[in-house]
Amino acid sequence: AQTVTQSQPEMSVQEAETVTLSCTYDTSESNYYLFWYKQPPSRQMILVIRQEAYKQQNATENRFSVNFQKAAKSFSLKISDSQLGDTAMYFCAFMPQGGSEKLVFGKGMKLTVNP
Amino acid sequence: DTGVSQDPRHKITKRGQNVTFRCDPISEHNRLYWYRQTLGQGPEFLTYFQNEAQLEKSRLLSDRFSAERPKGSFSTLEIQRTEQGDSAMYLCASSSRDISGNTIYFGEGSWLTVV
Repeated sequence: AQTVTQSQPEMSVQEAETVTLSCTYDTSESNYYLFWYKQPPSRQMILVIRQEAYKQQNATENRFSVNFQKAAKSFSLKISDSQLGDTAMYFCAFMPQGGSEKLVFGKGMKLTVNP
Repeated sequence: DTGVSQDPRHKITKRGQNVTFRCDPISEHNRLYWYRQTLGQGPEFLTYFQNEAQLEKSRLLSDRFSAERPKGSFSTLEIQRTEQGDSAMYLCASSSRDISGNTIYFGEGSWLTVV
């Protein structure tokens, strides 16, 4: 069974600064995907960024980038130039390739961006 | 395309009553998932459909829960004889595999409160 661990329950950052959210996972699978999802208060889960495990290059999406360390089973999210709209719960998720390809989520981390 | 839509968004019911949630996936998405999310936790997988076939069910899905996806389009999740422990947000998600893999998109969720 796969597990996803987000050890920091809560973080805060000043607007325009950079923040890194950590995530580790455990699996015996060799082919899988990793995701970061954002869930603003009372709003839907939104995909932030995705990483294929077979790719060595770290994924980037505008201000969002990941540091994927496959051997260490680590998948951190870096948010640059933080904006007030980044305030949300952030969930790290694992998806094995093949079969139902269901997501396994961590417990989430609450990020607050202060003006 | 309006994304994944869920109805109702909020439901308050008395213990012992039956409730039904509906999910309309993104058009042409052949995969549909139901997840449950309680306060302070990440979403937990409940069940998965590929087209009209229910291919996987979590052990979390007790006999009081039933899900259907007739004709492979919309899906319903019914909870019979609701209990207070059923209070949670029920998330629907859909996806369709492409050359880049499987990316899951979520609806806004249906909040259930059992009193």
